[in-house]
Formats: sequence, C-alpha cells, structure tokens
Amino acid sequence: EAGVAQSPRYKIIEKRQSVAFWCNPISGHATLYWYQQILGQGPKLLIQFQNNGVVDDSQLPKDRFSAERLKGVDSTLKIQPAKLEDSAVYLCASSSSRTGDTEAFFGQGTRLTVV
Amino acid sequence: AQSVSQHNHHVILSEAASLELGCNYSYGGTVNLFWYVQYPGQHLQLLLKYFSGDPLVKGIKGFEAEFIKSKFSFNLRKPSVQWSDTAEYFCATYSSNTGKLIFGQGTTLQVKP
Repeated sequence: EAGVAQSPRYKIIEKRQSVAFWCNPISGHATLYWYQQILGQGPKLLIQFQNNGVVDDSQLPKDRFSAERLKGVDSTLKIQPAKLEDSAVYLCASSSSRTGDTEAFFGQGTRLTVV
Repeated sequence: AQSVSQHNHHVILSEAASLELGCNYSYGGTVNLFWYVQYPGQHLQLLLKYFSGDPLVKGIKGFEAEFIKSKFSFNLRKPSVQWSDTAEYFCATYSSNTGKLIFGQGTTLQVKP
C-alpha cells in the first residue's frame, strides 16, 4: 500500500513570498489532515477535510493560509505571504475513517524555512 | 477544550532501563488514544492505539500503554529500552465531541548505548 506522498520535501523562501505544498493521501482515505510542527513542539492541526469538505479549520490563519482538497483526493496548502514564524514542518496525514477516529497515516512532511 | 499533555519533554536513559512516558488528556466524550513515534529522519508512525476493551494495549517493538479512565491518563511503557528506541514520542487523542485528532507536545527519548 502506497503511503501519503508530500512534495516538496524542503523549501526555503523569503518572507512575504508565497509557497504551496502538495499532498496525495492513501487511496480511498476519506479524511485528510494538515498539521504544522514547529521545532520542539507537537503537531498542531491546521485543517481537517472529510472528502472535499472542511471539517475543522479553526487553527488555520486564514489571512495568509489557504487549503483545498479538490475532488476529495489530493490537497494543497498555500501560504501567502509567508512570515518568519511560519518556519516549520508541514505534515499531511490521511485516515480511512469518515470521522477521523482511526489511525492517521503521515507523510514525510515539507520542511519550510522562511528567511 | 480538547487537549493532551505530556509530562516529560526530554528523557535520557541507558540501554536496558525501563521507560514510562506520561500522557494526560482532557475529557471529550468518546476518546480514542494513540501513541506515535518519530525516528530521526522518518515520518510519524503509529506505536499503539486504544479504542475500547482491555485498558492495557500492546504495540510494536515491545511497547505497551495503559488507559486509566479515572486519571485521564494513557502512559507509555517499555520494560527495557534499546538504543534504537531513540526517537520522539507523541501522545494523541481523537475526541468524538470535536472530531479532531490532537497531539501532545512530544517527548524526546535519548537512549545511551
């Protein structure tokens, strides 16, 4: 079974620039998550999708972050404009459960450095 | 609000020592509990999970965890650690009230050979 794929693995941008991350979840998984993991902290949930609908985005800084999951499969997370404090690893995960109450499978993450 | 608290941020042990990492969660209806591990350079992967039934759950690589409902705790244990257990460990909860999967801040385990 193929895992969760994310790209790029690393990205360095200057502040105020924009950046996009891509995630391809495990085939058939209904629930998709984006987490932000700042060095030394646990993953922080940014947004959760069930199929192509948003379940929760209460922690997403909507003035600069946006995410979509077209056709309930792939997802993209965008930051525009980036700030220094956005430097983190962005993790995508998926779960077979429609409600997210089963194991989540994680991708390798995208390490973003904003300079 | 749904939350997860891990007591130890950094633990250093010698090989063969016993391990116990603390995890407490806030009440949130039906709660599913997880321990994830992140080895250096690798992605997060599941160690074990508790949904219901026997409160003592066994996971991969000799790890186990005990769900104590009265204490809102789900501590991770291993009788004898190995150097290869050096990693970061995360406790996580899914709450039926919020529908969210929330992680603790993590514990870095360093095992000295």
